[in-house]
Amino acid sequence: EVKLLESGGGLVQPGGSMRLSCAASGFTFTDFYMYWIRQPAGKAPEWLGFIRNKANGYTTEYNPSVKGRFTISRDNTQNMLYLQMNTLRAEDTATYYCARFGTGYFDYWGQGVMVTVSS
Amino acid sequence: DVVMTQTPVSLSVSLGGQVSISCRSSQSLVHNNGNTYLSWYLQKPGQSPQLLIYKVSNRFSGISDRFSGSGSGTDFTLKISRVEPDDLGVYYCGQGTQYPLTFGSGTKLEIK
Repeated sequence: EVKLLESGGGLVQPGGSMRLSCAASGFTFTDFYMYWIRQPAGKAPEWLGFIRNKANGYTTEYNPSVKGRFTISRDNTQNMLYLQMNTLRAEDTATYYCARFGTGYFDYWGQGVMVTVSS
Repeated sequence: DVVMTQTPVSLSVSLGGQVSISCRSSQSLVHNNGNTYLSWYLQKPGQSPQLLIYKVSNRFSGISDRFSGSGSGTDFTLKISRVEPDDLGVYYCGQGTQYPLTFGSGTKLEIK
């Protein structure tokens, strides 16, 4: 059974940093692109970025809205996905999901973790 | 960016009834490889989105045949037949053809 479990959310002050983690299980982690997606309350999901699979060199791409502030990485020995978020702003407040990418769609999502940026 | 426009914003249906949700994209979703990467997701209250339909009309594993997707190019539809209480939530369409991947703004389904 595919499982994705995020951790690391909470309250952070504007300008602060936070790292989210996503533990993956039930599939061959290195075969898949992995995404981070966020969803402000009452709004549609927004992709933040992704990291490619082994066959594509684990390279990354980012949404321009977070490029330069957010960094995605993965530990393939531990089946872990990470999102390092720096210089956080109030508008980064949202529920953050990790998701597995099939071909053109997100087939599995984690349960999500809330990040609140506020003083 | 490809803009995904969903209608209606919300709808109410009786149990056992049928509903259709429309999703239109600002550009064709036909990929260079010939596939059309239009998917549908359901976000039940308090849960993460779950995949229902991928590549326009393919039901994901474990998804009831009460859910069906159709369409082509820029115009797509999700139909839900014999609506059940567990179907309530927000439905999103999403495109995976062009980066950045984008989602529609959602359609909230309520049960009368």
